[in-house]
Amino acid sequence: EAQVTQNPRYLITVTGKKLTVTCSQNMNHEYMSWYRQDPGLGLRQIYYSMNVEVTDKGDVPEGYKVSRKEKRNFPLILESPSPNQTSLYFCASSWRAAGTDTQYFGPGTRLTVL
Amino acid sequence: AQSVTQLGSHVSVSEGALVLLRCNYSSSVPPYLFWYVQYPNQGLQLLLKYTSAATLVKGINGFEAEFKKSETSFHLTKPSAHMSDAAEYFCAVSGYNFNKFYFGSGTKLNVKP
Repeated sequence: EAQVTQNPRYLITVTGKKLTVTCSQNMNHEYMSWYRQDPGLGLRQIYYSMNVEVTDKGDVPEGYKVSRKEKRNFPLILESPSPNQTSLYFCASSWRAAGTDTQYFGPGTRLTVL
Repeated sequence: AQSVTQLGSHVSVSEGALVLLRCNYSSSVPPYLFWYVQYPNQGLQLLLKYTSAATLVKGINGFEAEFKKSETSFHLTKPSAHMSDAAEYFCAVSGYNFNKFYFGSGTKLNVKP
């Protein structure tokens, strides 16, 4: 089954404790993105990747890092999480750039930073 | 940067009634436009997209949207609402480099029996 998976689905952590949210897709898509969803703000793009080893900032990259060492995986790293990063996070993938193609979304990761 | 504005954070309709969700975009160049739907506790899925072909775009589940350049609008409609349409709907627009992507703030649709 074609899908985007994220782990963990739920995470409660404390300020400053490094964490990684994993994202994996099995569709051989070249493009992947991370978004955060906050009430009243919709989804905002954090980072995107056009291919292996090619990443760039989205609209709200501060406090986040990403890497794309393999085509299927696109982990989101919070090196020193803060309470304002409490949010619902979605990973998405597509054949071509997000702005031209259908994006397939993961189920989301709900992060709480205390 | 590109942006979209969705009027009405909550819309309530009766089952069988017309659904109209409003979206206006901000751009001097006609962008690519999208509507995504998020069912409760799920990720998003594509409803439909406009990519400068036909201005009336048909999507899944009976939804359609019309691109109107003169009004910079891309409103989503469905002639007859079903209970299963209750969800949050997001209008979205591509950035100028097409890698960036901008969502609106979303409209929650409630369908009353």
